[in-house]
Amino acid sequence: AQSVTQPDIHITVSEGASLELRCNYSYGATPYLFWYVQSPGQGLQLLLKYFSGDTLVQGIKGFEAEFKRSQSSFNLRKPSVHWSDAAEYFCAVWGSGNTGKLIFGQGTTLQVKP
Amino acid sequence: DAGVTQSPTHLIKTRGQQVTLRCSPKSGHDTVSWYQQALGQGPQFIFQYYEEEERQRGNFPDRFSGHQFPNYSSELNVNALLLGDSALYLCASSLGLRQGFYGYTFGSGTRLTVV
Repeated sequence: AQSVTQPDIHITVSEGASLELRCNYSYGATPYLFWYVQSPGQGLQLLLKYFSGDTLVQGIKGFEAEFKRSQSSFNLRKPSVHWSDAAEYFCAVWGSGNTGKLIFGQGTTLQVKP
Repeated sequence: DAGVTQSPTHLIKTRGQQVTLRCSPKSGHDTVSWYQQALGQGPQFIFQYYEEEERQRGNFPDRFSGHQFPNYSSELNVNALLLGDSALYLCASSLGLRQGFYGYTFGSGTRLTVV
């Protein structure tokens, strides 16, 4: 069965520091992968997605992610974090067989120190 | 261009009661999916509606049911509420049954508290 693991439940970084959020997936074929962000009291906003092709994908708000098939990973990165990036981040994979559903990881809460 | 609208934003119910949550999809979208997000967890897929029929269902009991109307809006009904049903319920819309990976739009959710 497909699954997504986000090993870090909570991460704290200083403003201006770089960020990497880890995501590992379990999937038999080429996955469709996503990163979403959720601010308090808000719904989910899509940051970026990977379908195929270039394994380094660019997203909104200065985020990027790299798909590594050999490691079954899709880590999210940002070179310089802003205080407004504090939120919860979810990695997700599209269900196999084009089932029409997203399978989410548990999420990583990002705290940004001034 | 309105996004996904969910109502109410918050509500409190008592164990054993029934609740109905509502969702209006983004303009132009015809498919609605519902997710449950328990505190500290990622969203979990409940079901998906397209052409007024339930097309996909996650691992949720029959107490969870839904409906889609001709204008594509949708309702989620939960009967015999349990404390464990307390969660944020998210609605997501997309165009086409299997096109959500191109463009899922999420609403802000309904926070349900069961006491």
